[in-house]
Amino acid sequence: NAGVTQTPKFRILKIGQSMTLQCTQDMNHNYMYWYRQDPGMGLKLIYYSVGAGITDKGEVPNGYNVSRSTTEDFPLRLELAAPSQTSVYFCASSYSGTDGYTFGSGTRLTVV
Amino acid sequence: KQEVTQIPAALSVPEGENLVLNCSFTDSAIYNLQWFRQDPGKGLTSLLLIQSSQREQTSGRLNASLDKSSGRSTLYIAASQPGDSATYLCAVNQYSSASKIIFGSGTRLSIRP
Repeated sequence: NAGVTQTPKFRILKIGQSMTLQCTQDMNHNYMYWYRQDPGMGLKLIYYSVGAGITDKGEVPNGYNVSRSTTEDFPLRLELAAPSQTSVYFCASSYSGTDGYTFGSGTRLTVV
Repeated sequence: KQEVTQIPAALSVPEGENLVLNCSFTDSAIYNLQWFRQDPGKGLTSLLLIQSSQREQTSGRLNASLDKSSGRSTLYIAASQPGDSATYLCAVNQYSSASKIIFGSGTRLSIRP
């Protein structure tokens, strides 16, 4: 039972580069989320999805895009990386949105 | 707008002590409240989930309480051990935005041997 799997674990990007952070879950959860965590801070919601084909913005969506073509996968795309996007990114999932959340182990991204 | 606050930001206690971590929230219309543990450089591990209809949940040496009317939750850790050292985060799932949860900024706990 893998739970929520995120890849890569670490990545260094140059300013202006693009990348996709991968997230997949094998629990048949409907709801999936992307959060970012800056040092010493809580988690802020970037985007979320309530099911395949449906996505919506969270608190801090600027500079990011998402898609949800399957129940299992919820990739996060950074188009033009900026130093302000240096952070740790967490993917999470939930069956109904009102039950407990399961988190991935995170992706540590540095933009230089 | 829901705001979740955890005070203190950091706490250091000697091994063996019982301790309480606090979480407060401004909007009492919530589905549930969840406590997480985060080790340095790691992801979040769910510790306890309290539904809005419940008053408390227990798991081993951990006990979480919820008082919706006052907008407060506490996480009680009995007989603390050095392995309990981590950051503890609380998060609320509120009625007005049931698809997402709001996090506090966490309490960094250090247990001194």
